Amino acid sequence: GAVVSQHPSRVICKSGTSVKIECRSLDFQATTMFWYRQFPKQSLMLMATSNEGSKATYEQGVEKDKFLINHASLTLSTLTVTSAHPEDSSFYICSARSSGGYNEQFFGPGTRLTVL
Amino acid sequence: DAKTTQPPSMDCAEGRAANLPCNHSTISGNEYVYWYRQIHSQGPQYIIHGLKNNETNEMASLIITEDRKSSTLILPHATLRDTAVYYCIVREIYGGSQGNLIFGKGTKLSVKP
Repeated sequence: GAVVSQHPSRVICKSGTSVKIECRSLDFQATTMFWYRQFPKQSLMLMATSNEGSKATYEQGVEKDKFLINHASLTLSTLTVTSAHPEDSSFYICSARSSGGYNEQFFGPGTRLTVL
Repeated sequence: DAKTTQPPSMDCAEGRAANLPCNHSTISGNEYVYWYRQIHSQGPQYIIHGLKNNETNEMASLIITEDRKSSTLILPHATLRDTAVYYCIVREIYGGSQGNLIFGKGTKLSVKP
């Protein structure tokens, strides 16, 4: 299957700082990208969906001003957690889907965020 | 909310077939059945998907009942590396927000030596 990468794989930051996570589709053009969050022992929860060049669509309960998403190119989306707090500590996973293969959606390896 | 129901956990002996059931009694005619799995601390991995016919690939087989209200994922010869949480997801084929993958709680499969 297609490859989706994330960087960094893990990050530790102090409370109040901002953290940027990158998601790249390595061998296909991702017209739609998704960001999920997963707390320990829980399932993945969809945070937002973004289409290249458009504003992201956030799921209910997800603060758009806190979780900034930029999908500026067909191979790159970024998630910025602004003014991070300990309760934002989680496993963040991106996913990408191409226009040519609607049924195909691939996931990145995830980023472990720990806010002290 | 997820539209599927799965048992929370299952055990399987190494080398034997693992049969993971999923109920999706409210599935509509334009929804596919997808299976993903997540090994601990990794991103989900696509396994297989189908609409109404049975499907097979190098990883698994998917058996969908004729009324499409349930399905079974079959790993023919489970190995220790197949230990993971398996997610059954129904997803609309026509796109929009209903085409998003919404994860339920899945089944934690433990393959034992």
